[in-house]
Amino acid sequence: EVQLVESGGGLVQPGGSLRLSCTASEFTSNTYWLNWVRLAPGKGLEWVANINEDGSVENYVESVKGRFSISRDNGKNSLFLQMNSLRAEDTAVYYCAGGSGWIFHYWGQGALVTVSS
Amino acid sequence: DIVMTQSPDSLAVSLGERATINCKSSQSLLSSSTNKNYLAWFQQKPGQPPNLLIYWASTRESGVPDRFSGSGSGTDFTLTISSLQAEDVAIYYCQQYYGGPITFGQGTRLVIK
Repeated sequence: EVQLVESGGGLVQPGGSLRLSCTASEFTSNTYWLNWVRLAPGKGLEWVANINEDGSVENYVESVKGRFSISRDNGKNSLFLQMNSLRAEDTAVYYCAGGSGWIFHYWGQGALVTVSS
Repeated sequence: DIVMTQSPDSLAVSLGERATINCKSSQSLLSSSTNKNYLAWFQQKPGQPPNLLIYWASTRESGVPDRFSGSGSGTDFTLTISSLQAEDVAIYYCQQYYGGPITFGQGTRLVIK
């Protein structure tokens, strides 16, 4: 079973940047789409972005377009989320998730991102 | 964007009783080419990541107890817990993966009556 572990969360000021990483215990790099999903305090789950198996296709929720960038390094079994121009409303636990197609079979434990001055 | 609307927002059920959560999508999730409904259900407990229960609207994920079942097609879907156990207390989300952006319902909080 694939194990996903996020890292890179923390406290950042509004307008700042942060880079999240997600490392997989095993990687069927030519099979899995990978995603970032977030859970803001008091809110529900929100899909943020995904990337296809070879990294050639990226999709984003409208609210992060132009600010966030998803990427992957299949050789290092890793997924990344570069977050720029962070806002208070980006405060959330960020999960990496993946599986066959767009089905989220596997989830990491999450990384907390707090945007506050 | 496809809007997912769950009902109710909160649900209280006695132990051993049936729990039913509904999910409605703003457009059909049934693909004419695959004849599959692109709908999943997740369970999330406090401090834990979401856990996939059901995908393709009715396929139970490996390891999920058989008291959990999914049904429905097109725009109307249901998650049923046949006999509520104490460990089922959680927030439940439906999710569509028919088209981007992927969207979730607002969540249904399930508690013990």
